[in-house]
Amino acid sequence: AQSVTQLDSHVSVSEGTPVLLRCNYSSSYSPSLFWYVQHPNKGLQLLLKYTSAATLVKGINGFEAEFKKSETSFHLTKPSAHMSDAAEYFCVVSGPRGSQGNLIFGKGTKLSVKP
Amino acid sequence: EPEVTQTPSHQVTQMGQEVILRCVPISNHLYFYWYRQILGQKVEFLVSFYNNEISEKSEIFDDQFSVERPDGSNFTLKIRSTKLEDSAMYFCASTPYGGRVGETQYFGPGTRLLVL
Repeated sequence: AQSVTQLDSHVSVSEGTPVLLRCNYSSSYSPSLFWYVQHPNKGLQLLLKYTSAATLVKGINGFEAEFKKSETSFHLTKPSAHMSDAAEYFCVVSGPRGSQGNLIFGKGTKLSVKP
Repeated sequence: EPEVTQTPSHQVTQMGQEVILRCVPISNHLYFYWYRQILGQKVEFLVSFYNNEISEKSEIFDDQFSVERPDGSNFTLKIRSTKLEDSAMYFCASTPYGGRVGETQYFGPGTRLLVL
């Protein structure tokens, strides 16, 4: 079965310092993996996705993630945090093979950015 | 940029009442989804909908739930007789094509439902 574990429920960084949001997945086949972000009162916005092409995926707003099959990880990073990055981030894996594209979400990591 | 919209943003209802949550997917999208997030828990898949019928549903989506595309633009989720445990944030999503694995889903801002 597919599952996602986000290792930190809350991460706090200072503006200008690196961001690391951790995600581990479990899948019985090669998964598609996504990171979504949710700002307050906004919808879930796609940051980036991995679909079996390059293992280092670049997304919007300077974020990137690396798919590491040996570690079953898909951690999200950004070299330098901005205040506008404060939001909740969800790591997501595609549903079971044969499913019609439904997604399986992690519990989310709330990112706080201090001035 | 086109967006998925949802109404209302918040709804409070009494246990046992029917509620209808509304979504307007992006106009040329073909595949629609509902997800929910109970406070403090994960976002969970409820149902997918394509070509005017349910494509897939989860265990959560029991007989109390139904979905409909009543016209060319709206996509609704009805809860027939709400329970306290239906209190959650409900997200609508749509995709341009046929619900393929790995396809990007575009989400609305959610409707927060509170059942008293």
